[in-house]
Amino acid sequence: GQNIDQPTEMTATEGAIVQINCTYQTSGFNGLFWYQQHAGEAPTFLSYNVLDGLEEKGRFSSFLSRSKGYSYLLLKELQMKDSASYLCAGLDSNYQLIWGAGTKLIIKP
Amino acid sequence: EAGVAQSPRYKIIEKRQSVAFWCNPISGHATLYWYQQILGQGPKLLIQFQNNGVVDDSQLPKDRFSAERLKGVDSTLKIQPAKLEDSAVYLCASSLRLLEGVETQYFGPGTRLLVL
Repeated sequence: GQNIDQPTEMTATEGAIVQINCTYQTSGFNGLFWYQQHAGEAPTFLSYNVLDGLEEKGRFSSFLSRSKGYSYLLLKELQMKDSASYLCAGLDSNYQLIWGAGTKLIIKP
Repeated sequence: EAGVAQSPRYKIIEKRQSVAFWCNPISGHATLYWYQQILGQGPKLLIQFQNNGVVDDSQLPKDRFSAERLKGVDSTLKIQPAKLEDSAVYLCASSLRLLEGVETQYFGPGTRLLVL
């Protein structure tokens, strides 16, 4: 079956660094997406990885290891506005997104 | 560039009533998706359109849900009759090609449905 696993909730301190992990099992693999979703709002696109390695975009970076079926989202210099849910989604062989349940990130001052 | 528009933003109905949601995708986006998101869960794809044709509706409960995109632009999703378990946020998304076969989805604000 197809499955995306990520922690339910994480807590971090303002100004610190946090890593949100995601493991995936999909029928075929055409890449992995990360989306941010603030409470009561729609998901917004953060990153897409299809090759192994780290992709950096400002304070946010995303890493992929295809051999391990593993990805992480790294958030640096955390700000209070980063409090949100972070959704990991794998793209299967039919180019359909398989969504995780999301990781709720709580930032404390 | 205007984003994905959805209406209404909120809807409260009683079970067994009918409800309809509307979505207008980003201009030029050929693919349109309807998702159901229950609190604490990731989005669940209900139906995917490519222009006015259905690509995937395998998870759409067809006994009560229907969707159309007649002119290949805006779309409506209907529930008739509604059940308590349909209480959720209904998200519409449209997509732009990122790579061959890979499309980035852009979401609307969603319609929050409460069935009493």
